[in-house]
Amino acid sequence: GENVEQHPSTLSVQEGDSAVIKCTYSDSASNYFPWYKQELGKRPQLIIDIRSNVGEKKDQRIAVTLNKTAKHFSLHITETQPEDSAVYFCAAGGTSYGKLTFGQGTILTVHP
Amino acid sequence: NAGVTQTPKFQVLKTGQSMTLQCAQDMNHNSMYWYRQDPGMGLRLIYYSASEGTTDKGEVPNGYNVSRLNKREFSLRLESAAPSQTSVYFCASSPGRGRADTQYFGPGTRLTVL
Repeated sequence: GENVEQHPSTLSVQEGDSAVIKCTYSDSASNYFPWYKQELGKRPQLIIDIRSNVGEKKDQRIAVTLNKTAKHFSLHITETQPEDSAVYFCAAGGTSYGKLTFGQGTILTVHP
Repeated sequence: NAGVTQTPKFQVLKTGQSMTLQCAQDMNHNSMYWYRQDPGMGLRLIYYSASEGTTDKGEVPNGYNVSRLNKREFSLRLESAAPSQTSVYFCASSPGRGRADTQYFGPGTRLTVL
């Protein structure tokens, strides 16, 4: 089955800095890569996703890049703000009934 | 449009007790999922239902059973709870159009087994 590794497990940045979280996946058949943000005590919520037919997608301060050859994808957050502090999860999925395999999560802390 | 709802929000059980976690979605999604979330372990799939009338095991199915009651509802049952099942349980749904797609999560159930 699919295996997703996520790094780093914790990330601490100053407000205004950029943050990058990286994930690798094992199954070359995976073609959908979402990123979820989970605030303390809340549910995971989708912040951005990318499919394997594109290499990069951007939404305001958030971008995701995908390297299919190397089987890794990354989340980039620019101009970080304290409200970006949360746990971020990457995931990978293919055609298997919509199943997603999640990474272990990254705790992002943005210091004012 | 409530999205994905779960009941109860919190539950405390004694070892050996049974309970059912309820999940419902009003987005006309075909696929539904149950996950458990433990510190440092991410989200692990317990069971999923690709469509009404079908269920399949995920990564950690032992100790659980599920029922896809209809298109809207997907329940998770613990027949004999164990302390190792202390966790936060999330239900999710997705359109299920034969491909991986955005999953929408419920608010979660925090379960403690003593």
